[in-house]
Amino acid sequence: LAKTTQPISMDSYEGQEVNITCSHNNIATNDYITWYQQFPSQGPRFIIQGYKTKVTNEVASLFIPADRKSSTLSLPRVSLSDTAVYYCLVKIKAAGNKLTFGGGTRVLVKP
Amino acid sequence: DAGITQSPRYKITETGRQVTLMCHQTWSHSYMFWYRQDLGHGLRLIYYSAAADITDKGEVPDGYVVSRSKTENFPLTLESATRSQTSVYFCASSELGQGVQETQYFGPGTRLLVL
Repeated sequence: LAKTTQPISMDSYEGQEVNITCSHNNIATNDYITWYQQFPSQGPRFIIQGYKTKVTNEVASLFIPADRKSSTLSLPRVSLSDTAVYYCLVKIKAAGNKLTFGGGTRVLVKP
Repeated sequence: DAGITQSPRYKITETGRQVTLMCHQTWSHSYMFWYRQDLGHGLRLIYYSAAADITDKGEVPDGYVVSRSKTENFPLTLESATRSQTSVYFCASSELGQGVQETQYFGPGTRLLVL
């Protein structure tokens, strides 16, 4: 059964780079991959979105290989305020091309 | 700029009662979504709407009803609440949706407890 998989948690230290990979082996052909950040007691917030290769904005980079079966969110030089849960969002063909969130990766940034 | 709001923010109800969660957005976005978030399941899509009077099921629609008579409002009704519907409910909107994936803007959530 096609699904979206992320690591459950990751620990890091201030100033380090954090890379979170989402595996999505059957996504809609012409659709984007989007990543969201969620703090406790808040709704998810858009971070970055891409279709292929590499996308970079002021807060993150997104790497997508040619086969689009995974994507990696890269957070450069994290700070304590980056402690949050990070979700990937894709459309899964097997789910009728419905939007499907990954299970989320809890990132803890330590001082 | 109010954005997207949800009400109530917290709700306690009893099994079998009808509950309606409200969602309102001020951007005139075409698409609106309802998700539930539970420990161990992440965010799951309940229903979505592409425009007024157009709705479609998501991953977990059973036990829920939606309507969209106006573009800015997208209420979610639990017709007969069950304990398994205890969850945090998030509403979201986007200018575009299923056709071209675009940024979704989420509300603050409603915490629902069904006793």
